[in-house]
Amino acid sequence: DAGVIQSPRHEVTEMGQEVTLRCKPISGHDYLFWYRQTMMRGLELLIYFNNNVPIDDSGMPEDRFSAKMPNASFSNLKIQPSEPRDSAVYFCASSFRDRGTSPLHFGNGTRLTVT
Amino acid sequence: AQSVTQLGSHVSVSEGALVLLRCNYSSSVPPYLFWYVQYPNQGLQLLLKYTSAATLVKGINGFEAEFKKSETSFHLTKPSAHMSDAAEYFCAVSPDGSYKLIFGSGTRLLVRP
Repeated sequence: DAGVIQSPRHEVTEMGQEVTLRCKPISGHDYLFWYRQTMMRGLELLIYFNNNVPIDDSGMPEDRFSAKMPNASFSNLKIQPSEPRDSAVYFCASSFRDRGTSPLHFGNGTRLTVT
Repeated sequence: AQSVTQLGSHVSVSEGALVLLRCNYSSSVPPYLFWYVQYPNQGLQLLLKYTSAATLVKGINGFEAEFKKSETSFHLTKPSAHMSDAAEYFCAVSPDGSYKLIFGSGTRLLVRP
């Protein structure tokens, strides 16, 4: 079990640039989540998918943010254009089946810095 | 709205001392409750979970938590702290059994030699 794999681990970009964060969930998991972690706001759920379909994107902060899951083994989160306030650690997590009882498996995160 | 409150952003204990990290939740229905641990530069790892079975839940690394409905609490304890326990701990609630976990603000545990 390779765990949830996120890339890149660190991303530094200038304001206005497009940023793409990538996630490979654990094989067989049918739920995928994107979280954002900041000192000010803690851990926030941005969006989650079930069987590649977005279920709840109410946490996506603005239209500048978008996420897709083209297949069961890949998801990306895009920010276009990026702003300094988007600087945070972005986590991807995946889970399997039983509602509420199956734990989330987190990747190691992508630390995004927008200058 | 459902929420989780973790009392104390930092807790410092001596090695070998009792660890107590506090978590209170608000939920109108019996919730699912979780404790996660985050080591530096890593993602969160599940320590333990409560899913309406036994009220005392044992987790990994010697941690346990007790669900007390009357107090709406789910405090995390460990009888004897190790240096390796130094990390940030998050309490989380799934109020309706959905996957939309609500996380507390976290408590950073410091272990003194």
